[in-house]
Amino acid sequence: KAGVTQTPRYLIKTRGQQVTLSCSPISGHRSVSWYQQTPGQGLQFLFEYFSETQRNKGNFPGRFSGRQFSNSRSEMNVSTLELGDSALYLCASSSGTAKGNTIYFGEGSWLTVV
Amino acid sequence: AQKVTQAQTEISVVEKEDVTLDCVYETRDTTYYLFWYKQPPSGELVFLIRRNSFDEQNEISGRYSWNFQKSTSSFNFTITASQVVDSAVYFCALSEADNQGGKLIFGQGTELSVKP
Repeated sequence: KAGVTQTPRYLIKTRGQQVTLSCSPISGHRSVSWYQQTPGQGLQFLFEYFSETQRNKGNFPGRFSGRQFSNSRSEMNVSTLELGDSALYLCASSSGTAKGNTIYFGEGSWLTVV
Repeated sequence: AQKVTQAQTEISVVEKEDVTLDCVYETRDTTYYLFWYKQPPSGELVFLIRRNSFDEQNEISGRYSWNFQKSTSSFNFTITASQVVDSAVYFCALSEADNQGGKLIFGQGTELSVKP
């Protein structure tokens, strides 16, 4: 069974640009969540999508947005990039249908903003 | 407030030593779930274990074992006879009762270095 797949793995962007990251969850999983990992702030929850609807949201500015498609694949977008957005962005999937589901993560997308 | 604390930022051991990674959590919920993940340099968070708050039995999986104590709000992880391949950052995480999705509260992680 394929795991969580994220693309691209590495990217470099310039301040002010926007970026879109993609995530394909484990087959059959309907919940996709996104996390930002930085050395200073650690792992922080961005948002979660379930059946194409945002079900949960962390404390990030509106520049961070996401969506989920009917096949459960998800994208997240960051607009007007800032240097502080440089981070590892991790996608996670779970069935999303029961409390305390096991949550599986992808390898992440390493974003550098210059 | 919900919080996970991993007080040990870095641990360094010599191969074959036993090592325990500490995790202390705070939650007002009576039902919750605890997780441990391993993050090698590649970046992926590898799932190790999930435990619900009603199951206080300790668990052993090969060289790995977990000690869950509700009385002290701790969920510690022990690696027996450590190996170089165990070198990674380890995260403890909390999922609360109403969470059916992917929202986890993570600790700051413990970087384990196992030297040959």
